[in-house]
Amino acid sequence: DQQVKQNSPSLSVQEGRISILNCDYTNSMFDYFLWYKKYPAEGPTFLISISSIKDKNEDGRFTVFLNKSAKHLSLHIVPSQPGDSAVYFCAASGTNSGYALNFGKGTSLLVTP
Amino acid sequence: DTAVSQTPKYLVTQMGNDKSIKCEQNLGHDTMYWYKQDSKKFLKIMFSYNNKELIINETVPNRFSPKSPDKAHLNLHINSLELGDSAVYFCASSLNAGGLEQYFGPGTRLTVT
Repeated sequence: DQQVKQNSPSLSVQEGRISILNCDYTNSMFDYFLWYKKYPAEGPTFLISISSIKDKNEDGRFTVFLNKSAKHLSLHIVPSQPGDSAVYFCAASGTNSGYALNFGKGTSLLVTP
Repeated sequence: DTAVSQTPKYLVTQMGNDKSIKCEQNLGHDTMYWYKQDSKKFLKIMFSYNNKELIINETVPNRFSPKSPDKAHLNLHINSLELGDSAVYFCASSLNAGGLEQYFGPGTRLTVT
């Protein structure tokens, strides 16, 4: 019963272009969404988040968009850099889950020079 | 100066053995977590402690027992290890139980032979 889904296991983008990573969720009680970035042999690191009362949050090159009616969020990285190559996890939480994070399976992003 | 540290980083052991993984955070956070990332890369919450008290206990076999001697430490003890316990175990912490920005340790790769 995976409540957070990242249907693209991998994505390859050229340096300087936009990377768009997608995430869908099934639980309408989720009210907070986060993106984590993970390099090999390291733990996930927090990247950006968005509350369900917003539809967009921007932090430098990273923007997260939330479409509550479609239960869909996306992470945009502009411009993409080779150092952005990592696995990106989408996570969601709500008061009914005791604030536990429900993670997607991750999307491996490769940014090529 | 690592914020969330785990020991050991790698653990190889035989079926039936008992092992422990230690986690420490120096962030002054009240809440700590254990996550399991299995071979399919799903990252799932196992336990959460807030100020040494268990607040989240997902469906995890009784062979797994978390122990929090103080709010800076959350150790995971596993009895009678099975092949299916092979995974990467991540410790994390957050400011408090409602703090959704969690800081992860580097992970412990457990291999049961």
